[in-house]
Amino acid sequence: EDQVTQSPEALRLQEGESSSLNCSYTVSGLRGLFWYRQDPGKGPEFLFTLYSAGEEKEKERLKATLTKKESFLHITAPKPEDSATYLCAVLGGTSYGKLTFGQGTILTVHP
Amino acid sequence: DAGVIQSPRHEVTEMGQEVTLRCKPISGHDYLFWYRQTMMRGLELLIYFNNNVPIDDSGMPEDRFSAKMPNASFSNLKIQPSEPRDSAVYFCASSFITTYEQYFGPGTRLTVT
Repeated sequence: EDQVTQSPEALRLQEGESSSLNCSYTVSGLRGLFWYRQDPGKGPEFLFTLYSAGEEKEKERLKATLTKKESFLHITAPKPEDSATYLCAVLGGTSYGKLTFGQGTILTVHP
Repeated sequence: DAGVIQSPRHEVTEMGQEVTLRCKPISGHDYLFWYRQTMMRGLELLIYFNNNVPIDDSGMPEDRFSAKMPNASFSNLKIQPSEPRDSAVYFCASSFITTYEQYFGPGTRLTVT
């Protein structure tokens, strides 16, 4: 059974204070690792897909990286508008189109 | 594209009543997913369809829950009878078979009193 564990559960940063969120996974035959952002009262918003170890993707202040066991979402010089819950999900080899989601990391960036 | 459309956005009903949630996926997407999100349990997959056919409904909590996808443009999730513990935000999402990136709708916030 595919499993995803995200840490920390919550993270408080000062504006400009860079940090990283972790997503550890166990899956049989990784076909993709997905990062989402969720704002209060809204549906998750797709950010990145990573397919293989060593791959990196960037979007504004966010950079996602992938190893064989975990993924990191690096946030550089965050701003208050980066505050949200960040969700990680994996697609395993036997899952058809079904993603397994982690519990998320609640990020709060103070001005 | 307008994205995934869900209706209603909010639903308040009394225990025992039937509730119907509706979803219009992104045009051309092959998969459609129904999720439920609560603070305690996070995001839970209820059921998903591939080309309108249900693939896995193991996440449907009880027989009170049912979902159909009569065509590629519409799906509904019914709860009959509803109970207070069904109160949650219900999301619909859709994806292409080639990329598997799921795009979520805005959700329906269900409150059962």
